[in-house]
Amino acid sequence: GDSVTQMEGPVTLSEEAFLTINCTYTATGYPSLFWYVQYPGEGLQLLLKATKADDKGSNKGFEATYRKETTSFHLEKGSVQVSDSAVYFCALMSTSYDKVIFGPGTSLSVIP
Amino acid sequence: KAGVTQTPRYLIKTRGQQVTLSCSPISGHRSVSWYQQTPGQGLQFLFEYFSETQRNKGNFPGRFSGRQFSNSRSEMNVSTLELGDSALYLCASSSGGVGRANYGYTFGSGTRLTVV
Repeated sequence: GDSVTQMEGPVTLSEEAFLTINCTYTATGYPSLFWYVQYPGEGLQLLLKATKADDKGSNKGFEATYRKETTSFHLEKGSVQVSDSAVYFCALMSTSYDKVIFGPGTSLSVIP
Repeated sequence: KAGVTQTPRYLIKTRGQQVTLSCSPISGHRSVSWYQQTPGQGLQFLFEYFSETQRNKGNFPGRFSGRQFSNSRSEMNVSTLELGDSALYLCASSSGGVGRANYGYTFGSGTRLTVV
């Protein structure tokens, strides 16, 4: 079945460092891909999305490109801030649209 | 517009009891999905309701059930609570149509259930 794999955390970075969180997926067809972010004590917020191959999603300085050939959707940010500390979830919605499948999440801590 | 509202935010129940959680989706959204989030299992899909009908179901025992009302508000019920049911239960709202694949879900803040 469909699945999402993310790099293990926690990830600790200094402020202004470059961030990459790896995400790969297994799915039939061309699923839609998402990154969600969860701040402490809150629900999930949609960060960015891409719905077809080679699409680039971007929001708040974060970017991710839908790579069909490598089945990947890596999250990047050029300069992280303390306020980016959160848990990041990679997710896909299958082509049958029946549910969203989430990766295990990657915890990010940014220190001043 | 108002977001997704989940009530209550916190619950403490005793093993063997039952519990009902509520979710009000974004106005105009007809689909409500429920997820269970635990440190060990991550986010697991429970079920989805669309126009008062259960459209999809995850791999949870029959103790977990839900329903949706004509105003799209949804409730989920867990009977005969077990310690392992302690989790954050998240509700997600979407338009419910094919377009939900393009727009993703909007989540509520969740209900934190603790079973003692």
